[in-house]
Amino acid sequence: QLQLQESGPGLVKPSETLSLTCTVSGGSISSSSYQWGWIRQPPGKGLEWIGSIYYSGTTYYNPSLKSRVTISVDTSQNQFSLKLSSVTAADTAVYYCARHDRWGVSGLDFWGQGTLVTVSS
Amino acid sequence: DIPMTQSPSSLSASVGDRVIITCRASQSISSYLDWYQQKPGKAPKLLIYGASSLQSGVPSRFSGSGSGTEYTLTISSLQPEDFATYYCQQSYSTPRTFGQGTKVEI
Repeated sequence: QLQLQESGPGLVKPSETLSLTCTVSGGSISSSSYQWGWIRQPPGKGLEWIGSIYYSGTTYYNPSLKSRVTISVDTSQNQFSLKLSSVTAADTAVYYCARHDRWGVSGLDFWGQGTLVTVSS
Repeated sequence: DIPMTQSPSSLSASVGDRVIITCRASQSISSYLDWYQQKPGKAPKLLIYGASSLQSGVPSRFSGSGSGTEYTLTISSLQPEDFATYYCQQSYSTPRTFGQGTKVEI
């Protein structure tokens, strides 16, 4: 069974860079059929798609965050990562990693449990 | 961006009720529409993909329909474990936008 697990600091200072890693187990991140994405949810609010990456390194970003976001993949470690720079309190959220098929036809079918990142001094 | 509008934003229902949630896209998304269920403190769970395909393991009381810009999620007979928040998401184009959510409560 595929599993995804987010990891990283739970507290980040304003203006610094948020860094999270998603470790994939039970399957290969190098599958040509899937992309790997990040989604966030501010406390008490809805879901926001941040971006996704293909195993080759091709990325897709939400234009609203594009200037601050970098998503990368490490196929040797079966991991992909999120960096969000110049964070503010508005970036406080639960961050999820998830898998979706490359054609967009079968949904975000596997999710990590989510990790809360708080931006505060 | 393709904004997604869900309605209602919340609803009160009883066990056994038929519940219908609507999601409207600002342009045609050609059935690239997925539905998720989220319970407090948990990650969203995929219920329906491609507007009408039931994800493996999801009870058959959940169904999806629609085309073009209008889509619906139907719960035929609400069960106690179905009280949750439901989100639609379009996967037609990036960014893959979500609806604002519909909270189903007693």
